[in-house]
Amino acid sequence: NAGVMQNPRHLVRRRGQEARLRCSPMKGHSHVYWYRQLPEEGLKFMVYLQKENIIDESGMPKERFSAEFPKEGPSILRIQQVVRGDSAAYFCASSPPGSRGSNQPQHFGDGTRLSIL
Amino acid sequence: DAKTTQPTSMDCAEGRAANLPCNHSTISGNEYVYWYRQIHSQGPQYIIHGLKNNETNEMASLIITEDRKSSTLILPHATLRDTAVYYCIVSLGGNKLVFGAGTILRVKS
Repeated sequence: NAGVMQNPRHLVRRRGQEARLRCSPMKGHSHVYWYRQLPEEGLKFMVYLQKENIIDESGMPKERFSAEFPKEGPSILRIQQVVRGDSAAYFCASSPPGSRGSNQPQHFGDGTRLSIL
Repeated sequence: DAKTTQPTSMDCAEGRAANLPCNHSTISGNEYVYWYRQIHSQGPQYIIHGLKNNETNEMASLIITEDRKSSTLILPHATLRDTAVYYCIVSLGGNKLVFGAGTILRVKS
């Protein structure tokens, strides 16, 4: 999974704390996607962003979760007041400019494993 | 996005070809077929994709039937490192990917 960098690789938080997950897309990519994989389950789409814009947030929980992709810097997935059910692997993917409507595949990072105590 | 159907699991002997089938009978004309795999605890790895023509790259070949209702991913010489969960996904380009349960491929020596 060369290119898409996620950090931290592992993150431990106590219930009620905030978690911030970072994703730097592949060089030249301007589209970012976040997915969540709960234990023993498949990946579920959360949100699709372009620089400074949220394109599709249909998979985001209505409360406590937010995402941004600023003009400069990595994309951030933020989870406020974490609960045990937020424990999961969070994966980021990126694709090149002009991906919408084209066939450009998404390329994934190796994820952040979030554990809630 | 169209739904796909894949076998739950498959075994393959090391060095032999692994043929992974996928049904996508409700695919629409402008949707692509993408294949990814996920090796334990890693992020999904892109393998190959196609629209209607057969495709080949350094990793695999993709055979799409003429009616586009099914496809087969072929790993020509499977190795132990190809043991993974393989996902067949149908999607419009640039949109979210909808992952199913995939096929667990076990390559055995």
